[in-house]
Amino acid sequence: KAGVTQTPRYLIKTRGQQVTLSCSPISGHRSVSWYQQTPGQGLQFLFEYFSETQRNKGNFPGRFSGRQFSNSRSEMNVSTLELGDSALYLCASSENDRGLSYEQYFGPGTRLTVT
Amino acid sequence: AQKVTQAQTEISVVEKEDVTLDCVYETRDTTYYLFWYKQPPSGELVFLIRRNSFDEQNEISGRYSWNFQKSTSSFNFTITASQVVDSAVYFCALFSSGTYKYIFGTGTRLKVLA
Repeated sequence: KAGVTQTPRYLIKTRGQQVTLSCSPISGHRSVSWYQQTPGQGLQFLFEYFSETQRNKGNFPGRFSGRQFSNSRSEMNVSTLELGDSALYLCASSENDRGLSYEQYFGPGTRLTVT
Repeated sequence: AQKVTQAQTEISVVEKEDVTLDCVYETRDTTYYLFWYKQPPSGELVFLIRRNSFDEQNEISGRYSWNFQKSTSSFNFTITASQVVDSAVYFCALFSSGTYKYIFGTGTRLKVLA
């Protein structure tokens, strides 16, 4: 099976702009989670989508949003970018349903730089 | 509250040494899962192992071994005869089936010197 793919891999934006990141999970995986990774804060959970519904949410402002499509692909949007949003954004997919295994498989990430 | 603590921020060892990465977790749930992930310089986290709360058996996979002890809430990871390719950041994570959330530790950076 193909792994988790994320596009784009690198992105440079300026403050105030918005950005959309995309994630395609492993075929058959219905859960997609997003994480923000920074040197200072480590891996922080943004949100998780399962079958097109947001099932869990971390402690991020409303500028961070996401959605999942019927084919399980997910997008993450950050509006009104701030310098502090510069980070590696990781997407992870898993089967994550009751009774199934819960390990997550990560994509290569999108490195976002806000100037 | 749920929490994963990796107290070792960075460890340096010389090739062929054994090294243990510590992980201590907190949860009130009785059903939970513990994981270890490896993040090489390329950035992509790689799944290494999953353990559920009902299985305290230790596991060995090649040079890797894991020691799960519920009594001390620890899930430690040992690399035997370390190699330069083991250099990476290693994350321990907790998943609770009650909250359906993954909690990651802050990671331990392992440097294996030739």
